[in-house]
Amino acid sequence: GAGVSQSPRYKVAKRGQDVALRCDPISGHVSLFWYQQALGQGPEFLTYFQNEAQLDKSGLPSDRFFAERPEGSVSTLKIQRTQQEDSAVYLCASSLPWRAPKLEQYFGPGTRLTVT
Amino acid sequence: KQEVTQIPAALSVPEGENLVLNCSFTDSAIYNLQWFRQDPGKGLTSLLLIQSSQREQTSGRLNASLDKSSGRSTLYIAASQPGDSATYLCAVKQEYGNKLVFGAGTILRVKS
Repeated sequence: GAGVSQSPRYKVAKRGQDVALRCDPISGHVSLFWYQQALGQGPEFLTYFQNEAQLDKSGLPSDRFFAERPEGSVSTLKIQRTQQEDSAVYLCASSLPWRAPKLEQYFGPGTRLTVT
Repeated sequence: KQEVTQIPAALSVPEGENLVLNCSFTDSAIYNLQWFRQDPGKGLTSLLLIQSSQREQTSGRLNASLDKSSGRSTLYIAASQPGDSATYLCAVKQEYGNKLVFGAGTILRVKS
């Protein structure tokens, strides 16, 4: 079946612009995660949804970052007034709910954001 | 706060060598540990997942071991090939909580 998909794959934004990044999780996966990966680093957690509920947003670096998943499937990560330090790859992952035995996370290809 | 460290940061080996990548974590209260592969410009591909109650997992030429009490995992790659060249990432999921905590990765280059 289809994996996690993300769009756009690449985004160039001028400093101060708002951007919106989309994630389509694997069908049936109720858990959805966003991670930020800076160049040469491992991914860092941003936020987590269980269905439409945002249960953990402790990793969002500032109030310029906002994520939503209104119908419990597609999610959007929005960054307002982008700054150069926001340049990174944004990865989305999905998994089965807590009661599933393995809780393996499946990752999308990422969106590479460059802020100029 | 969980911290994950991977050693070495980069590794270059000739084709055919067996090699070991190391991962250590500071908090042993983990639920599972995953090894991922990341090719340039691509997302993460899961290689192996080890539950906290397991000692090792094998898939083809890959073998991952877990020593939870000492906070260590190793990824063993047998008979390396140029196609194995990629960044290898280790990530742990805590017993309580849902996020993965990643190391910075090991960049592997296998020369033909």
